[in-house]
Amino acid sequence: GAGVSQSPSNKVTEKGKDVELRCDPISGHTALYWYRQRLGQGLEFLIYFQGNSAPDKSGLPSDRFSAERTGESVSTLTIQRTQQEDSAVYLCASSLALVPEGLFGPGTRLTVL
Amino acid sequence: QKEVEQDPGPLSVPEGAIVSLNCTYSNSAFQYFMWYRQYSRKGPELLMYTYSSGNKEDGRFTAQVDKSSKYISLFIRDSQPSDSATYLCAMSANFNKFYFGSGTKLNVKP
Repeated sequence: GAGVSQSPSNKVTEKGKDVELRCDPISGHTALYWYRQRLGQGLEFLIYFQGNSAPDKSGLPSDRFSAERTGESVSTLTIQRTQQEDSAVYLCASSLALVPEGLFGPGTRLTVL
Repeated sequence: QKEVEQDPGPLSVPEGAIVSLNCTYSNSAFQYFMWYRQYSRKGPELLMYTYSSGNKEDGRFTAQVDKSSKYISLFIRDSQPSDSATYLCAMSANFNKFYFGSGTKLNVKP
């Protein structure tokens, strides 16, 4: 595709359920980034992948959050036992290596009831 | 102390004014500095990227980094109503982790 795509675009879940968010980066982009943006707040960095590896996972908010990337392509962000404070828009971006991300996906709006 | 501090505003200026947006930071290891623009209900977009110290100009936008003072700025010349948005600064030491300011909301009045 022409841009970064994310699915689902919207997800409503009940507290305690697990959710999986998907990001398809631009083909050939080795770097992939996940962010979170709570309503009315700034951007919060979660994790960065170079290829399939994430050198620093300390940006993930808690051990309920995990992310993986395979084939230097699609990435999934998994949130286990969701809490209401996880409600946010989750954004993914991709770029060529060591070039800051300029291309964001449309985001997944997660609502935890 | 937060890694990156940014005045949330809102900042309101008349059309044509020069706008100065600023961030301060505490980590002297930061060497990658970015500015993002985010329109209401839209995703962010990278506006400017600077590596290490110095200035970078792109049209009406100038990004400035002063590592000795741990201070970065974004200047917008001849501001337009279409510049009304939230501006976020971000920085990183090694590209493995990024730190964002809280964003400054700018309103350019026609």
